Amino acid sequence: DIVMTQSPDSLAVSLGERATINCKSSHSLLYSSNNENDLAWYQQKPGQPPKLLIYWASTRESGVPDRFSGSGSGTDFTLTISSLQAEDVAVYYCQQYYTTPYTFGQGTKLEIK
Amino acid sequence: QLQLQESGPGLVKPSGTLSLICTVSGASISSSSYYWGWIRQTPGKGLEWIGSIYATGSTDYNPSLKSRVTISVDTSKNQFSLNLGSVTTADTALYYCANHFDSSAFDYWGQGKLVIVSS
Repeated sequence: DIVMTQSPDSLAVSLGERATINCKSSHSLLYSSNNENDLAWYQQKPGQPPKLLIYWASTRESGVPDRFSGSGSGTDFTLTISSLQAEDVAVYYCQQYYTTPYTFGQGTKLEIK
Repeated sequence: QLQLQESGPGLVKPSGTLSLICTVSGASISSSSYYWGWIRQTPGKGLEWIGSIYATGSTDYNPSLKSRVTISVDTSKNQFSLNLGSVTTADTALYYCANHFDSSAFDYWGQGKLVIVSS
């Protein structure tokens, strides 16, 4: 199985500041046929299911604010929130869909400092 | 707008079978290009993909659960289901249904169904 490891496990950032979450995979997620990375980011708020934010490592899902951005390639990826808003408090997960079994990171809890 | 909703018993006895149904609205299971999947979430193991099914009935299961899992589709009811046999307390989890394209992210999720395994 591809192991997904996120860092940090938790993060406290001031409102308006940048938040950065990292995700490392145990295998390259770069799909050679289309040169895309099979990596998604989700946001989960309490009592809600995960919500897809970003796919192909850097493509924002429709309706997702542009303060959310994804970057990286191969085995190292980053989710950046450029200016933290109160409604961004949540747990964030990365997920690989390069191969089954699809696997998720352990999650990063983002709080307000 | 695609919507998914899980239903089924919230309590299952050890060694029994966990059975859940996901009802899809806003898209036809049989005519769309989606795969339909099950994912569970526990405090200890986090998010775990259980398996997915295509409208044709072809399935893909997580090897860690494959011996106990069956996912099937009922196109007449626009539903798909999960059966997990020989359950133990370790199968206590919040179970989600979700959809995805082939080798793609999970687009839409149900609200989740908490299933507790206990005698």
